[in-house]
Amino acid sequence: SQTIHQWPATLVQPVGSPLSLECTVEGTSNPNLYWYRQAAGRGLQLLFYSVGIGQISSEVPQNLSASRPQDRQFILSSKKLLLSDSGFYLCAWSVRGGVGDTEAFFGQGTRLTVV
Amino acid sequence: QQQVKQSPQSLIVQKGGISIINCAYENTAFDYFPWYQQFPGKGPALLIAIRPDVSEKKEGRFTISFNKSAKQFSLHIMDSQPGDSATYFCAASRDTGRRALTFGSGTRLQVQP
Repeated sequence: SQTIHQWPATLVQPVGSPLSLECTVEGTSNPNLYWYRQAAGRGLQLLFYSVGIGQISSEVPQNLSASRPQDRQFILSSKKLLLSDSGFYLCAWSVRGGVGDTEAFFGQGTRLTVV
Repeated sequence: QQQVKQSPQSLIVQKGGISIINCAYENTAFDYFPWYQQFPGKGPALLIAIRPDVSEKKEGRFTISFNKSAKQFSLHIMDSQPGDSATYFCAASRDTGRRALTFGSGTRLQVQP
């Protein structure tokens, strides 16, 4: 069965510090990968999505970047965190290609607080 | 336009009652409409989903009603239980090309015993 791992679960970082959140998927190959952010009491905002190694699409211009060094690994980074980067970050994957259900499977999320 | 509008923002229902959450979309290219359930501190999990070729889909106590001409869809939770208390998100996506989900803003449901 497929599983998605996301870590760390919680993180408190000072303003101006770097960030690296990692997500890995097991049990599937060539997945689409996504990073979402959820602000307190709000919906999920798509930040990045990737259809393959090294292929990253950015949805929202911001202080963050993403990389996909391996097929089932997706990393969210920042060189200098801002207070506005605080939120709940979620990694997700879906089956790539073909016609069918596009169910997205989410990780457990990372609660980031920038202080 | 990629926006999906969801209402209400919050909902309080008595145990055994019917919970109804509504969503509207603008992009006619959307052809997959899932609902996600999220408990505090956890990632969203798929609850039920529908495609435009049917007007209703039922799974247990959960039903999606879909109105293609109005570009609206809704979630009905029958016989609501305290364990259903969670935040519910509607979403939409395309089956081809860009598959990323566009989410509504969420509805916080509280079922009172």
